[in-house]
Amino acid sequence: DAGVIQSPRHEVTEMGQEVTLRCKPISGHDYLFWYRQTMMRGLELLIYFNNNVPIDDSGMPEDRFSAKMPNASFSTLKIQPSEPRDSAVYFCASSLSSGRVGEQYFGPGTRLTVT
Amino acid sequence: KQEVTQIPAALSVPEGENLVLNCSFTDSAIYNLQWFRQDPGKGLTSLLLIQSSQREQTSGRLNASLDKSSGRSTLYIAASQPGDSATYLCAVEEASGSRLTFGEGTQLTVNP
Repeated sequence: DAGVIQSPRHEVTEMGQEVTLRCKPISGHDYLFWYRQTMMRGLELLIYFNNNVPIDDSGMPEDRFSAKMPNASFSTLKIQPSEPRDSAVYFCASSLSSGRVGEQYFGPGTRLTVT
Repeated sequence: KQEVTQIPAALSVPEGENLVLNCSFTDSAIYNLQWFRQDPGKGLTSLLLIQSSQREQTSGRLNASLDKSSGRSTLYIAASQPGDSATYLCAVEEASGSRLTFGEGTQLTVNP
């Protein structure tokens, strides 16, 4: 398996623009997580899905952020409109569980810069 | 709210030395604890996962221990190598849900 795939790897955009980050989890995994990592706040969980259903989105910073998982092999994280404080590395992770989260496998991340 | 703390924040050692990284958490009601490695500009790689009912896990030169009652875990690295240089993060999964809470990490440098 190729592991968790994220695209793009780098994104530079201007304030106010819409940004869409993409993730393909490991085939067969039933949990998918979106994290944000910054120097100031470390690694934070934004939202996670189980069997394509959002379970906990309490980490989503505000309404400008939205995430979807239309099928088991694809998820998006959208920021609209983007702001400079959204600049961070966004990670997607997936895991296979038997009722619990299990060991998480991370993608390489998308480095977002909002100017 | 669960809080995870890692000490030290940074560590520099000569090659060959044995070392210990520390992780503490405030709420002992956890389901498991994981140790991850992160290389610069890369994602996280899971190193070891310890279930709450376990005391330790070993993988090669790595040994992780868990004392749930005191809210502590240690990652022991034997005979350190320059290739071990990375940031090491611990994360706990709470018993009440499936969230992972991460520590800030320890940045390890092993000098040849």
